[in-house]
Amino acid sequence: KAGVTQTPRYLIKTRGQQVTLSCSPISGHRSVSWYQQTPGQGLQFLFEYFSETQRNKGNFPGRFSGRQFSNSRSEMNVSTLELGDSALYLCASSLGGTQYGQYFGPGTRLTVL
Amino acid sequence: EDKVVQSPLSLVVHEGDTVTLNCSYEVTNFRSLLWYKQEKKAPTFLFMLTSSGIEKKSGRLSSILDKKELSSILNITATQTGDSAIYLCAGVEAGGKLIFGQGTELSVKP
Repeated sequence: KAGVTQTPRYLIKTRGQQVTLSCSPISGHRSVSWYQQTPGQGLQFLFEYFSETQRNKGNFPGRFSGRQFSNSRSEMNVSTLELGDSALYLCASSLGGTQYGQYFGPGTRLTVL
Repeated sequence: EDKVVQSPLSLVVHEGDTVTLNCSYEVTNFRSLLWYKQEKKAPTFLFMLTSSGIEKKSGRLSSILDKKELSSILNITATQTGDSAIYLCAGVEAGGKLIFGQGTELSVKP
C-alpha cells in the first residue's frame, strides 16, 4: 500500500506571496490532518479534514486554510506569507481520525525569504 | 490553556540500557494520548493510550497512562542505536485537536 505523499517536497517563496501544498493520503483513509513543525515551536496542529469537512482546527490565523476533495486528497493554502511561516509542513492520514494515531507523509519544506 | 510537557528534553544512554520517557498533559476534554518516534523524517506512530490504563507493548517498547497523575511513560528496554530519535507525545482533545509536547531527544551510544 502506498504511503502518504506530499508535493512539492521543497518550496521557496517570498514574503507576501501565497502557497498551496498538496497531500495524498493512504488509500481508504478519510481523515487528513496538517501540521507545522519548526525548531522553536515544535510540532503544531493546523487542522483536520474528514470526508471533505473541516472537523477541527488549531490556533493558527485565517491565512492558513485547507480543503479536502472527494477522493480524500487535501490541499493547504497559506496566503500573505510571512518569514515566520518557514517550516516543515507535514500531513498525516488515518482511517478514523487524529485520536487513533496517524501515518505521516515526508513533509514539504517551505522557506519564505 | 492545554499543554503537554515531556521530560527529559534530551537523554544519552548506552546500548543495552533501559530508558523511561515522561509525558504529562493538561488537555480539556481529554480523549487519548499518542506516542510517536521521529527520526530524520516524519513521525511514525507508536502507541495510543486512553484513560482505561491498559498498558501497550510492542517488542522492547511499552507505554502506559496514569489518569490520576495525568501522565504517561514510554519505556524502552535493551536500547539499540536504532532507537536514537526524538520521541513525541501528543494529547488529543475530544474534538480531535492534538497538542504536542516538545519531544525527548534520545541518543543511544554503542
